[in-house]
This record gives sequence, C-alpha cells and structure tokens, in this order.
Amino acid sequence: SQQGEEDPQALSIQEGENATMNCSYKTSINNLQWYRQNSGRGLVHLILIRSNEREKHSGRLRVTLDTSKKSSSLLITASRAADTASYFCATGSQGGSEKLVFGKGTKLTVNP
Amino acid sequence: GAGVSQTPSNKVTEKGKYVELRCDPISGHTALYWYRQSLGQGPEFLIYFQGTGAADDSGLPNDRFFAVRPEGSVSTLKIQRTERGDSAVYLCASSSPGLGANVLTFGAGSRLTVL
Repeated sequence: SQQGEEDPQALSIQEGENATMNCSYKTSINNLQWYRQNSGRGLVHLILIRSNEREKHSGRLRVTLDTSKKSSSLLITASRAADTASYFCATGSQGGSEKLVFGKGTKLTVNP
Repeated sequence: GAGVSQTPSNKVTEKGKYVELRCDPISGHTALYWYRQSLGQGPEFLIYFQGTGAADDSGLPNDRFFAVRPEGSVSTLKIQRTERGDSAVYLCASSSPGLGANVLTFGAGSRLTVL
C-alpha cells in the first residue's frame, strides 16, 4: 500500500522558476523524507524532516511539514534542467516497523 | 562495497519459472529493504531485514515471494511460479542505524520481465 499522495502528478516549468510539490499522508509519522529518481535509475535521498520539525533547508531545497494537516511540501528554487526527475515522498511511521512507505511521485520536467 | 549492488540488472523469464534476485548492500549497513516498482508508480514495500531476520514482511504479496539474508549481508529475493503481473523493477536499499533514521541508499534495481 502507498501512504503518501503527491500532487501534482506531473509538473512542467521553465529553467529558473521554482517548483513546488506536495505530499499528503494518512497515519502518524516520525519522519518524512523526499527522494529523487532519474529515469531508469535508483532513488536518491534528498532530505529528511522529523515530526517535531516544521521546516528544513538543504541548498536549493526547502521542505515544510504540517503534522496537523498530514502534509508536506518540497520547494526547489531556481530550477535547472538537471532537476528533471521524479520526486517521491516517503513516510516512516511511529512505533513498530522501520519501513518507509512511498507515494506515487511527481514527475518534474524543467525546460531549458 | 561503495554502493548497493543488484544483480542481474535485467532478467527475462517465462511464466511459471523460478527467479532469484540478489542484493549486496553497503558494507556495515544492518538494515536491508526490498521494494518493487511498476511503471509510473512509487516503490511498493515488500520486506525489510534487520541483520539476518525479517523485521517486517508485511508487503510480500503472496507465498510465491520469499527473501533471505542468511549472514546479515547479501540478500536474495526469490519468486516462485512467476506470473506476468510480477513484471516490475525490484529495488533493494540498505541503511545504517548510525544515521539516526531509516535513510535509504538504493541500488539501481533489477528489471524483471515475465513473458
């Protein structure tokens, strides 16, 4: 089963613009992570935000987390053609299993 | 090794055959995960190991799927009596508790095609 639901499913922007992707989830979490996947390759971890954090930055990435709304957003500023990829949110639930549950992803295309 | 290694990278088999997919995690990573990804979808959790034991196998779709990690390092995902619906990319990932959270490092995946 997939807990996270990203939206939009697909996003096309011009180089230099900002890209915002959203993720909603259903159960209580202890952390939320964002991963990136280039076509035909494995996933790469981008950033992790814990349930007691509200915002986190890493380079051109900004992640927010609203546990009351069970949602997160990933902002990529000043996008580049090389940012073209699929982006997935993944949640780690409180207690019990350490598994990560992934959403269906947002396919981002950055046009030069 | 330097990264997570998965073999084979591509496997084509016929319906009903048995398949083994291998994962060699990053040295020292105690947790190992298997996911399966269909086209246009996110990774679907199958099973994860902490050391040699399966800590959570709730994602295995049925008893045709089985995974082992006998020495706490390399893992093998085994699929019996393959069906066309098993066609997907099977992803392996590993993590280290030293990172403080289940941050996963993924392999490139094994693409399975069942004809």
